[in-house]
Amino acid sequence: DTAVSQTPKYLVTQMGNDKSIKCEQNLGHDTMYWYKQDSKKFLKIMFSYNNKELIINETVPNRFSPKSPDKAHLNLHINSLELGDSAVYFCASSLSSGNFYEQYFGPGTRLTVT
Amino acid sequence: GQSLEQPSEVTAVEGAIVQINCTYQTSGFYGLSWYQQHDGGAPTFLSYNALDGLEETGRFSSFLSRSDSYGYLLLQELQMKDSASYFCAVGAMDSWGKLQFGAGTQVVVTP
Repeated sequence: DTAVSQTPKYLVTQMGNDKSIKCEQNLGHDTMYWYKQDSKKFLKIMFSYNNKELIINETVPNRFSPKSPDKAHLNLHINSLELGDSAVYFCASSLSSGNFYEQYFGPGTRLTVT
Repeated sequence: GQSLEQPSEVTAVEGAIVQINCTYQTSGFYGLSWYQQHDGGAPTFLSYNALDGLEETGRFSSFLSRSDSYGYLLLQELQMKDSASYFCAVGAMDSWGKLQFGAGTQVVVTP
């Protein structure tokens, strides 16, 4: 009965590689988000989708490309990984874009780029 | 622009009360949320204030004063399991749908 799930939980890869992180929510929510949390625990939004449509696209390198095949899934693909991409990436969801103040987070994906 | 300030760390003993303050400068302020995050875990929603006043949820309460651009999270009857980071986060009309998180307050509960 997991609410928001992400795979993989850990990802260790070399610079220059391409990798993807997958997220699924079974809460019936319309809105999903990707966040990056750095080593100082600063949590910053990257993207948000509402019913498969991109509604928030922060200043993020275009090596990062989100995709939402349906409103229950939001994936993040990262090209040409760099050392600075090492962080924990969280997926989250909310009932709607108007309920953005109450978000439910997945367990996170710890990405380490070597 | 937006800015959020909260203390970096607070230490207290079991059974005590802790207040975590959050001041903000936010154009088009909409509301203030609080999240808890244990080490290695995911942020968990605690509370939300859009109007002035106190919201109580069990041992945790959250307060907002829009005129003072200030809010706080009150943790009562502290337990060891309350050791975690606590984040305030603001939403604004100018950036609808987006939460801006503070840097977090590490709460350390000692026996």
